[in-house]
Amino acid sequence: EAGVTQFPSHSVIEKGQTVTLRCDPISGHDNLYWYRRVMGKEIKFLLHFVKESKQDESGMPNNRFLAERTGGTYSTLKVQPAELEDSGVYFCASSAYYRLGEGYTFGSGTRLTVV
Amino acid sequence: DAKTTQPTSMDCAEGRAANLPCNHSTISGNEYVYWYRQIHSQGPQYIIHGLKNNETNEMASLIITEDRKSSTLILPHATLRDTAVYYCIVSLSGGGADGLTFGKGTHLIIQP
Repeated sequence: EAGVTQFPSHSVIEKGQTVTLRCDPISGHDNLYWYRRVMGKEIKFLLHFVKESKQDESGMPNNRFLAERTGGTYSTLKVQPAELEDSGVYFCASSAYYRLGEGYTFGSGTRLTVV
Repeated sequence: DAKTTQPTSMDCAEGRAANLPCNHSTISGNEYVYWYRQIHSQGPQYIIHGLKNNETNEMASLIITEDRKSSTLILPHATLRDTAVYYCIVSLSGGGADGLTFGKGTHLIIQP
């Protein structure tokens, strides 16, 4: 099966611009997660979707970040306006809702650089 | 904050068994122990998980102490491709509702 796919793999934008990251989970996986690692820090949870519904967005840093998952398939994470501290690697992961315990499958991430 | 404690780094010779320890003294009765690894510039990769019993799969073995306060991940025949940061994570489900709390992990370096 195809894995979790993230676009783009790299993005360099100027402070104040808008960037949209996309994640295509494994087909049929109801759970979709966003994580990020900023420079020198640990990987942090951002939010969790079950199908199109946000279950937990407690990790979203502020209202400049907007995640959507229309139709319960792919998801987008928009940063508007981007700030320097948003630089880092953004990971998406998915899992099948009914198969608790098998672990997530992560994508390769999007490396975001805000200059 | 992460509920686990791991050494910052470890070395292991290629072909030998790599034993990565993890302390999770505050683990609750229904929490699993999960191991993930991150090879440079890739996304984290699931390795194995367990609740009480020792577990083995094609990648590794997981040994959990009887009191469940610590565990050891064993890579039986380490290769250079096993060089990565290994994360020990305590989670209620690991693949379901709750997000994962990553700590700093152990940087395992396999020496040729």
